[in-house]
Amino acid sequence: EVQLVESGGGLVQPGRSLRLSCAASGFTFDDFAMHWVRQVPGKGLEWVTGISWNSVTINYADPVKGRFTTSRDNAKNSLYLQMNSLGVDDTGLYYCAKAADAAAYFDSWGRGTLVTVSS
Amino acid sequence: EIIMTQSPATLSVSPGERVTLSCRASQSVSSRLAWYHQRPGQAPRLLIYGASTRATGVPARFSGSGSGTEFTLTISSLLSEDFAVYYCQQYNDWPRTFGQGTRVDI
Repeated sequence: EVQLVESGGGLVQPGRSLRLSCAASGFTFDDFAMHWVRQVPGKGLEWVTGISWNSVTINYADPVKGRFTTSRDNAKNSLYLQMNSLGVDDTGLYYCAKAADAAAYFDSWGRGTLVTVSS
Repeated sequence: EIIMTQSPATLSVSPGERVTLSCRASQSVSSRLAWYHQRPGQAPRLLIYGASTRATGVPARFSGSGSGTEFTLTISSLLSEDFAVYYCQQYNDWPRTFGQGTRVDI
């Protein structure tokens, strides 16, 4: 069974940094691209970033370009999201999601980790 | 960026009813369209990909259709567990984008 477990969320002041992690199990991690999708509580879904299986291809949504960096460690079956210069608009539940294939729709999701940016 | 627009925003229905949800893309996404539903307090779950292919374990009462810019998700006979928010998502271009969701209420 695929399991994705996010961690690292919390309350952070505007302008500060936070690093999220996603621990994956139940599948061959280095066969699949991985993504981060966020959701403001009570609102819709917003794709944030995705990284190919070999880290060669990485894409970012415009609102996070230059501030967020996604990476992965295939030896540790882990995905990461380094978030710098956080703003209040970055508040939300951050989901780790497994791409079904290179097409980047998401067939497995974690339960999310909550990031709250507030002074 | 491709804008995905879902309608209606909210749908109030009774168990056993047939439900049709719509999703429109601002430009063609071919058949690269997925549907998810999200129950309160839960993560989204993949229902349909390729516009019309049910994901593993998804009941046959869910069906998807469409291509290009117009897509439909149909639930043939609504069960209580189907009351949720439904999202469409295109994966034809970057950034991947979602519709704003349709809430299916009792």
